[in-house]
Amino acid sequence: NAGVMQNPRHLVRRRGQEARLRCSPMKGHSHVYWYRQLPEEGLKFMVYLQKENIIDESGMPKERFSAEFPKEGPSILRIQQVVRGDSAAYFCASSRGAEETQYFGPGTRLLVL
Amino acid sequence: DQQVKQNSPSLSVQEGRISILNCDYTNSMFDYFLWYKKYPAEGPTFLISISSIKDKNEDGRFTVFLNKSAKHLSLHIVPSQPGDSAVYFCAASEISSGSARQLTFGSGTQLTVLP
Repeated sequence: NAGVMQNPRHLVRRRGQEARLRCSPMKGHSHVYWYRQLPEEGLKFMVYLQKENIIDESGMPKERFSAEFPKEGPSILRIQQVVRGDSAAYFCASSRGAEETQYFGPGTRLLVL
Repeated sequence: DQQVKQNSPSLSVQEGRISILNCDYTNSMFDYFLWYKKYPAEGPTFLISISSIKDKNEDGRFTVFLNKSAKHLSLHIVPSQPGDSAVYFCAASEISSGSARQLTFGSGTQLTVLP
């Protein structure tokens, strides 16, 4: 029973480029969450999605960041025109229902040069 | 405004002894609390949770205690083992708009269990 999958595990981008982070939830899970961890800090909620719907994006920066969870395929977190401050670990979590335990993937470590 | 606080960035314990990790919160709307363990370069791993209607939950070597009046919870690990060495995150959630359960995390405590 595979856990939450994220790829790539490491991503290097130059300032101004786009970053695309992918997340495949655990089998049977239809709820996906994205969190960001800056160095020396805890994880911070970004967005919560169900299939084809953004339910809560209150933690998402208003510009350059977007997320989707299409009917088919993984959830995508997209960061346009990356800046050095976007360098962080981005974690995806999934749950079976909105009120159930969230299980995390291994994360994508984004480095912006 | 940090709603979940872990005031001890690090803790060292001898193997076989009890580890006690503490967490304080300020938001009285939080109704569900979780502990995650994290190794370097990995994602957080769920350990144990507790609902606000309970004051204790136990799972093997791990016990979580919740004191609602003090807005305080703690994780007890007994006996501690070297493999328990990791960063431990406390997290809390509440019903927010759209029934989303976003987790609010503390900044973590690095536990080192000495052999």
